[in-house]
Amino acid sequence: QKEVEQNSGPLSVPEGAIASLNCTYSDRGSQSFFWYRQYSGKSPELIMFIYSNGDKEDGRFTAQLNKASQYVSLLIRDSQPSDSATYLCAVNRGTGGFKTIFGAGTRLFVKA
Amino acid sequence: DTGVSQNPRHKITKRGQNVTFRCDPISEHNRLYWYRQTLGQGPEFLTYFQNEAQLEKSRLLSDRFSAERPKGSFSTLEIQRTEQGDSAMYLCASSPGIAGATDTQYFGPGTRLTVL
Repeated sequence: QKEVEQNSGPLSVPEGAIASLNCTYSDRGSQSFFWYRQYSGKSPELIMFIYSNGDKEDGRFTAQLNKASQYVSLLIRDSQPSDSATYLCAVNRGTGGFKTIFGAGTRLFVKA
Repeated sequence: DTGVSQNPRHKITKRGQNVTFRCDPISEHNRLYWYRQTLGQGPEFLTYFQNEAQLEKSRLLSDRFSAERPKGSFSTLEIQRTEQGDSAMYLCASSPGIAGATDTQYFGPGTRLTVL
């Protein structure tokens, strides 16, 4: 079992729709969770992080965390073609100070 | 300060040669991380530093890979006796390392290594 698992996709949604990206992790001691966006040929850029159960909203993005189910998700509302990228889920055993484990990423295509 | 910088951006080498990459973190960030990424995969953790101390490293770094951060500022990653399987993007990231706060990492542009 991989430490952090994501559907590789591609996930295709029409412009203006909600894109839902999912991630599961195996280490129950994980405490902080991150979503990164990576455009082809570029390095990852942070979208948001979450460390408490529930939802966290930032603009068009909402991260959801359920530690009991070891599940974290990212919702993108009003998807735009510029959101087309690979979305990486990352997990850390602390608030920092431990290695961060990345999933393989989910490719998202937003069709105009 | 314009963010994390890495040099060189591209490196082509022949199998068996040694290569060294440099990473300059965001100033005042005391944590620095190295990752390797291959096509279709997420970044794979290699090692990280808290100031000049190397606190954790993957099993990859016990052999041909070594990393240093001698003065707690820039870092170097060396690969000895390169193999074709070492071809990848090598990413560096830094984070503030503020105690008690969620630590977010900011990535550099990466060094793409091609081993012929």
